[in-house]
Order: sequence, then structure tokens, then C-alpha cells
Amino acid sequence: EAGVVQSPRYKIIEKKQPVAFWCNPISGHNTLYWYRQNLGQGPELLIRYENEEAVDDSQLPKDRFSAERLKGVDSTLKIQPAELGDSAVYLCASSLRSVGNIQYFGAGTRLSVL
Amino acid sequence: RKEVEQDPGPFNVPEGATVAFNCTYSNSASQSFFWYRQDCRKEPKLLMSVYSSGNEDGRFTAQLNRASQYISLLIRDSKLSDSATYLCVVNDYDDYKLSFGAGTTVTVRA
Repeated sequence: EAGVVQSPRYKIIEKKQPVAFWCNPISGHNTLYWYRQNLGQGPELLIRYENEEAVDDSQLPKDRFSAERLKGVDSTLKIQPAELGDSAVYLCASSLRSVGNIQYFGAGTRLSVL
Repeated sequence: RKEVEQDPGPFNVPEGATVAFNCTYSNSASQSFFWYRQDCRKEPKLLMSVYSSGNEDGRFTAQLNRASQYISLLIRDSKLSDSATYLCVVNDYDDYKLSFGAGTTVTVRA
């Protein structure tokens, strides 16, 4: 069975440019998460989806970040415009509610903003 | 105060040694607990869930102390392949929010 798939793996952009990340969760997982992980820190939740509904976006910087999960399957996270401080690894995870919220992570997108 | 706090280490131990470390959590209503393992430049992967009665998985033993609000992980007979960062994860069941610690780095040397 395929795991959580993310693309691209790496992205280098100049500040003020837009960037988008894509995630395809494990088939059948209704809950999808986007996390940001800075060096030496644990992942921090940006947004959580239950199917196509964003149920927790309290930590998403809404002035520049947006996300969508239109059909309740794959998801896109966008930053526009990017700032130097956005350099981090962006992780997508998915889980199945009935299995104790064990989350499975994708390999992440490593973003460098120059 | 962070919701989940861990000793960052690093713990440098020889092969075959036992290493143990803790994490503390602030939300007394937390319902479930996990240890995730993260290798350098890789994604976190579930190592084990932590049950109230304590549990073992091979060389790994996890303990939960609800009264003192801490979780521990013990690794026996350390292998080189155990070198990684271990993330303590706490679940607030009401809103399915996972809170991650910053991780404890373990390096096992030959």
C-alpha cells in the first residue's frame, strides 16, 4: 500500500515568490494534516482537514498561507508571498479516526527561501 | 510553557548500552501518547504507542505516569541503527490534536 505522497521534495525560491506543495494521503484516510518543522523542533500543526472541511486552521498564518482539499482526498498548501522565515520542512500526514489517530507522514517538502 | 517538553540530549551511548529519557506534558486531559522516531532528514515514523500500564516492543519500553504527567522511553541493548531523534507525542482526544516535543537525539557509537 502506498504511503503519504508529497511533492516536490525540495524547493528553492526567492522571497516574495509564491510556492505550492501537494500531498496525497493514504487511501481511505479521512483526516489530513499539514505541519511545519523547523530545524531542531518538532512538527507544528498548520491545518487539519476532516474530509474536505478544515476543522483546525488556528495556527495557519492566513495572511500568506492557504490550503485546500477540494474533493476530500489530495491537498495543496500555498504560500504567497514567501518570506525568509518560511524556510522549513512542510510535512503532510494522514490518519484514520477509527485507529486512535495514529498519523502517517509523508517525506516532506524542504523549502528554502533566499 | 510548551505543551510537551523533552530533554534534547544528545545522548551518546556505546553499542549494547541502555539509554532512557523522559518527556513531560502540560495538559492533564491528554488521552493518548506516542513515541515517534525521526531519522536525519526523514519524516517521523511511529515507534510505539504508550499505554497506561506500560508496554514493551522488543528492546523498547515505554512508561506513562499520569500523576506526574510524564512519559519515558527506555532502549536496551542499543544498536547503531537506534541512532535517531525520538519525538514524544501527546494527543488531546477531544480535538484530535497531536502535540510534538522537540525531540531527544540519541547517537549510538560502535
